[in-house]
Amino acid sequence: GAVVSQHPSRVICKSGTSVKIECRSLDFQATTMFWYRQFPKQSLMLMATSNEGSKATYEQGVEKDKFLINHASLTLSTLTVTSAHPEDSSFYICSARVPRGVGTGELFFGEGSRLTVL
Amino acid sequence: AQSVTQPDIHITVSEGASLELRCNYSYGATPYLFWYVQSPGQGLQLLLKYFSGDTLVQGIKGFEAEFKRSQSSFNLRKPSVHWSDAAEYFCAVGPPSATNKLIFGTGTLLAVQP
Repeated sequence: GAVVSQHPSRVICKSGTSVKIECRSLDFQATTMFWYRQFPKQSLMLMATSNEGSKATYEQGVEKDKFLINHASLTLSTLTVTSAHPEDSSFYICSARVPRGVGTGELFFGEGSRLTVL
Repeated sequence: AQSVTQPDIHITVSEGASLELRCNYSYGATPYLFWYVQSPGQGLQLLLKYFSGDTLVQGIKGFEAEFKRSQSSFNLRKPSVHWSDAAEYFCAVGPPSATNKLIFGTGTLLAVQP
């Protein structure tokens, strides 16, 4: 199946710094990627939809200036957590949808990135 | 409103026993339905999906699920659970569109005892 890879898998940073997480589709081009956040023992909450070549679409309640999303190419989307604080500590997961002409349009998920802000 | 309900937060079964994880959804149109599994600290892996056709779908690792439109359900089953099946399971629904998003249930944590 299609492969989506995230990097880094774990990151620890100091409060006030910024952290960038990468999401790559390794064997297909993804015009759309999705970023989720997962709190402990809870489900995935969609944060934003990343569109190649245009601005991301954020879900209600997600701060655009806090969580910067860039989708500069068909295989890479990045999530930057700016001025991170301890409450931003979470598990962030990206996903990408295989284009319908290539597959069935299902989502494939990255391995996730665990962010810990000290 | 669109939603997915997984009534069981936590389930414990004995190894070798059968398993059924419940999923009910509320959706305005015919959705695509998915079951994902998440091992600790890992991303999600697709177990199976239903788009159309036969309402009983087979997935990986011996799992199957049955779509029942009249009950708005898509329950996941396995005849004999293995210790390696211990994980969290998420049901998800979504529109048959290339750009829209999935709605996830809150998950069911499966524990398997010897």
